[in-house]
Amino acid sequence: NAGVTQTPKFQVLKTGQSMTLQCAQDMNHNSMYWYRQDPGMGLRLIYYSASEGTTDKGEVPNGYNVSRLNKREFSLRLESAAPSQTSVYFCASSELVWGGESPLHFGNGTRLTVT
Amino acid sequence: GNSVTQMEGPVTLSEEAFLTINCTYTATGYPSLFWYVQYPGEGLQLLLKATKADDKGSNKGFEATYRKETTSFHLEKGSVQVSDSAVYFCALSDLGGGFKTIFGAGTRLFVKA
Repeated sequence: NAGVTQTPKFQVLKTGQSMTLQCAQDMNHNSMYWYRQDPGMGLRLIYYSASEGTTDKGEVPNGYNVSRLNKREFSLRLESAAPSQTSVYFCASSELVWGGESPLHFGNGTRLTVT
Repeated sequence: GNSVTQMEGPVTLSEEAFLTINCTYTATGYPSLFWYVQYPGEGLQLLLKATKADDKGSNKGFEATYRKETTSFHLEKGSVQVSDSAVYFCALSDLGGGFKTIFGAGTRLFVKA
């Protein structure tokens, strides 16, 4: 019963390096999301994919790109990492329910440090 | 735009004490409201939810009532345990926000034995 799986769990990058965070869900959910969590700021939405084949910007998309590879997988790419992108990144998924009452299911996060 | 404001922490309580964590919201539509909990080293998990005014969500001894007149969704528990130590997030999702969930800043709870 895996739910939402994120890799890697930890990563250290130097400024300017690139990397891709991977996320997969096995709950047959239509919608997937990437959030970042910073102290005192809660979770902020980076990008989301309401359904397979679509992606949209969230609150803080600058410096990131995403790919919805198929219904299960949603990756987040940092093309040129900056220290301001040091954060904990969470992937989440949900059913697509009009009315907004479907809760999010989260992975365990990726702790990224950019030096 | 939509927003969620919750009380700052940390909140420190002794075991068996009563817990209240305040949460108020601003939304243009009729949001669904949620409380999520995050244990150390883990992702968030749904604690409870309410989808319309006067609904009460409950789970594991925690309760919260959707109050439209005061735009609030305060979390309560009658007797906390050490195992309740975690970070609690209030959140909303509604049509006006495109169903994207918006989170409060989180409140860290420490429960002492």
